Amino acid sequence: QQQVRQSPQSLTVWEGGTTVLTCSYEDSTFNYFPWYQQFPGEGPALLISILSVSDKKEDGRFTTFFNKREKKLSLHIIDSQPGDSATYFCAARATGYQNFYFGKGTSLTVIP
Amino acid sequence: GGIITQTPKFLIGQEGQKLTLKCQQNFNHDTMYWYRQDSGKGLRLIYYSITENDLQKGDLSEGYDASREKKSSFSLTVTSAQKNEMAVFLCASRQGKNTEVFFGKGTRLTVV
Repeated sequence: QQQVRQSPQSLTVWEGGTTVLTCSYEDSTFNYFPWYQQFPGEGPALLISILSVSDKKEDGRFTTFFNKREKKLSLHIIDSQPGDSATYFCAARATGYQNFYFGKGTSLTVIP
Repeated sequence: GGIITQTPKFLIGQEGQKLTLKCQQNFNHDTMYWYRQDSGKGLRLIYYSITENDLQKGDLSEGYDASREKKSSFSLTVTSAQKNEMAVFLCASRQGKNTEVFFGKGTRLTVV
């Protein structure tokens, strides 16, 4: 059973456009939701994260939104750049637990 | 800062062979993880360890053994390599219960 569902699987946007990635989850005990960015040949790196007590967190061009009632979160990238081309993973974890559950990832391509 | 070093970067083995992947971290983190990354399937937890000599099974532990003889190192053994488990194996570490997970660059396993 997939604990965290992510869409779309792949996405292509033009430079300067807005990218929107979404995730949903089942387990209501999840309360920490990081987004990871992975470039080819590299390990995933934390991009931005949000706790379930918040509904929005912003870091430069990257914003994550959280909807506890609908068990959904999203990542918005404004003014998308070719350097943003990577695979993005959402993840979820419950307090006190060690395991993170990852979505299947979204492969983003930003065309100049 | 610190770094997670995984060796080897590429590993080619024969079907049925026993293979060992190694991971070293100099963050002085307590918790270490092994994740398997298959294309289109996200990251799935194989084993994790919360301290030296501790081992905890993840969702994908069958067919694998792990060893944490030192705080800084965590090794993963594929007990009998199968062609359907060609994937990238990612090592990660974390300090405390509510902190960022750092990943290594991965070991790409090919079974022939």
